[in-house]
Amino acid sequence: EDQVTQSPEALRLQEGESSSLNCSYTVSGLRGLFWYRQDPGKGPEFLFTLYSAGEEKEKERLKATLTKKESFLHITAPKPEDSATYLCAVSTSGTYKYIFGTGTRLKVLA
Amino acid sequence: NAGVTQTPKFQVLKTGQSMTLQCAQDMNHNSMYWYRQDPGMGLRLIYYSASEGTTDKGEVPNGYNVSRLNKREFSLRLESAAPSQTSVYFCASLGAVNTEAFFGQGTRLTVV
Repeated sequence: EDQVTQSPEALRLQEGESSSLNCSYTVSGLRGLFWYRQDPGKGPEFLFTLYSAGEEKEKERLKATLTKKESFLHITAPKPEDSATYLCAVSTSGTYKYIFGTGTRLKVLA
Repeated sequence: NAGVTQTPKFQVLKTGQSMTLQCAQDMNHNSMYWYRQDPGMGLRLIYYSASEGTTDKGEVPNGYNVSRLNKREFSLRLESAAPSQTSVYFCASLGAVNTEAFFGQGTRLTVV
């Protein structure tokens, strides 16, 4: 059964304190791994797509990486406006399912 | 430039009542999805439609039905609402299965 697990569930950082969020996946065949940001009361918004092990994507203070078993979302020198829930999702070969993890709630303190 | 539109935004139902959540997208996407989001549970897939005319069960389909009315619209029906169906429901659409999903703003449903 396809599974996506995110850790930690919640993370509190001081402004400027860099850290990483983890997304581990067990799937029959990975088509793509996706990172989203979700603000309270809103739908998730797309951040990155990664397709193959070794791939990296960057956007401002965020950098996503992918291995054969997991993905990391690295946050460098975060600001309070980076506070949100970060979700990862996978699409798998042979189906049209799009499966999400449980998310990491990030709080960045000024 | 609406993207994905869900109606209603809020709804309160009594146990046993029925209702339909509506979702429409204007991006000419083939695939559409319904998720529910509960605290600490992330987004769980209820049903999806890979293309017009097809629907499939996701992770938590019990108690729900769906209709892919046309390429634009994908509705979710609760035939007999239960308190366990209290949740926030999101509709999403994708142009292709290995691309980004676009989400609606969600429907907050409370069943009392």
